[in-house]
Amino acid sequence: EAQVTQNPRYLITVTGKKLTVTCSQNMNHEYMSWYRQDPGLGLRQIYYSMNVEVTDKGDVPEGYKVSRKEKRNFPLILESPSPNQTSLYFCASSLWSGLGNQPQHFGDGTRLSIL
Amino acid sequence: QKEVEQNSGPLSVPEGAIASLNCTYSDRGSQSFFWYRQYSGKSPELIMSIYSNGDKEDGRFTAQLNKASQYVSLLIRDSQPSDSATYLCAVNMNSGGYQKVTFGTGTKLQVIP
Repeated sequence: EAQVTQNPRYLITVTGKKLTVTCSQNMNHEYMSWYRQDPGLGLRQIYYSMNVEVTDKGDVPEGYKVSRKEKRNFPLILESPSPNQTSLYFCASSLWSGLGNQPQHFGDGTRLSIL
Repeated sequence: QKEVEQNSGPLSVPEGAIASLNCTYSDRGSQSFFWYRQYSGKSPELIMSIYSNGDKEDGRFTAQLNKASQYVSLLIRDSQPSDSATYLCAVNMNSGGYQKVTFGTGTKLQVIP
């Protein structure tokens, strides 16, 4: 089954404790992306990657890191989480073509609470 | 100016009516346009994608793209209560050789039985 898998689905942690949210896709997609979703602000792109070792900042990259060492995985790292990073996070992936991005497939989301 | 703008709603329509959702975008170099539906607490799911000017129909859904006016719309015919959700417009924008996807804040649709 084609899917994007995020883990964990829920996490409550404390300020300053490093955490990683994993994302894996089994569709051989080139493009992967992380979003956060906050009430009234919609989905905002944090980082994206167009292929292995190719990443770039989205609209809200501060406080986050990513890596793309393998095509299927795109982890999101919070080195020193703060309460303003409490949010619902989505990972997504898509094919890449001459038309640009194809439709994205989304993971089920990770609800992150930083106390 | 926001890069992708949508009316937040809620847009209320009676069951069986046509719902019309609109989206405008700022980057004239944008290539790919998408409509996603999102139920509360769930992940977005694709409704329609459109890449060239004109209309594209899929069942009860029609996407319309006008690149000259920089807008994209979604029509839902014979609206059903199950269509009640937030509809997100997404635009693939060029950014100095890289490509990023920008979402509007979404329009909440309520279909009243």
